Amino acid sequence: DTGVSQNPRHKITKRGQNVTFRCDPISEHNRLYWYRQTLGQGPEFLTYFQNEAQLEKSRLLSDRFSAERPKGSFSTLEIQRTEQGDSAMYLCASSQNRRRDRGFGYTFGSGTRLTVV
Amino acid sequence: GENVEQHPSTLSVQEGDSAVIKCTYSDSASNYFPWYKQELGKGPQLIIDIRSNVGEKKDQRIAVTLNKTAKHFSLHITETQPEDSAVYFCAATDGGYQKVTFGIGTKLQVIP
Repeated sequence: DTGVSQNPRHKITKRGQNVTFRCDPISEHNRLYWYRQTLGQGPEFLTYFQNEAQLEKSRLLSDRFSAERPKGSFSTLEIQRTEQGDSAMYLCASSQNRRRDRGFGYTFGSGTRLTVV
Repeated sequence: GENVEQHPSTLSVQEGDSAVIKCTYSDSASNYFPWYKQELGKGPQLIIDIRSNVGEKKDQRIAVTLNKTAKHFSLHITETQPEDSAVYFCAATDGGYQKVTFGIGTKLQVIP
């Protein structure tokens, strides 16, 4: 297991179409996070899973966005009825629920770059 | 919620010089401050971190300082090399480590 894997790396879609991205975390990590990064900005938190439970969602995650992690392993992020404003890099990260004194272990994937035309 | 401000947004230094990036945070509950390096086409990579009970931490050419009273923290890179060229993000999170708030990023260019 070499890290967090995201597919596809790039996605171009027409406005109004639905898209789905996949994230495979580091296998022993029980926490999984989705972030969005637009050009020239830092990543912005979207949502977070601990095992299969979705524990927190940002207000950025409108009702067109849905994320799942059905078996507590890989996760999918779906965007319905895409808009041009959805164009961004979607980053996935994973971590292990460690004791606080053992560090954080937040590892990002390389992201999926979405372009809505 | 937490707000992290970062400056400068761009920084150019000559190879061998030092680079300093500064950040401030707003939420006094934040107690963990990671720094990430992002190269083109890649996700952010953790390079160093510091906890609120520590004032300074060093790892080879990289050091971080934290002033919890002033809510300031900084990244120092000494003896810069061309491979240090990247975008650097500061970040802050609370003890739950569930949500990380990032700064806007600093694009560092090291000129050979």
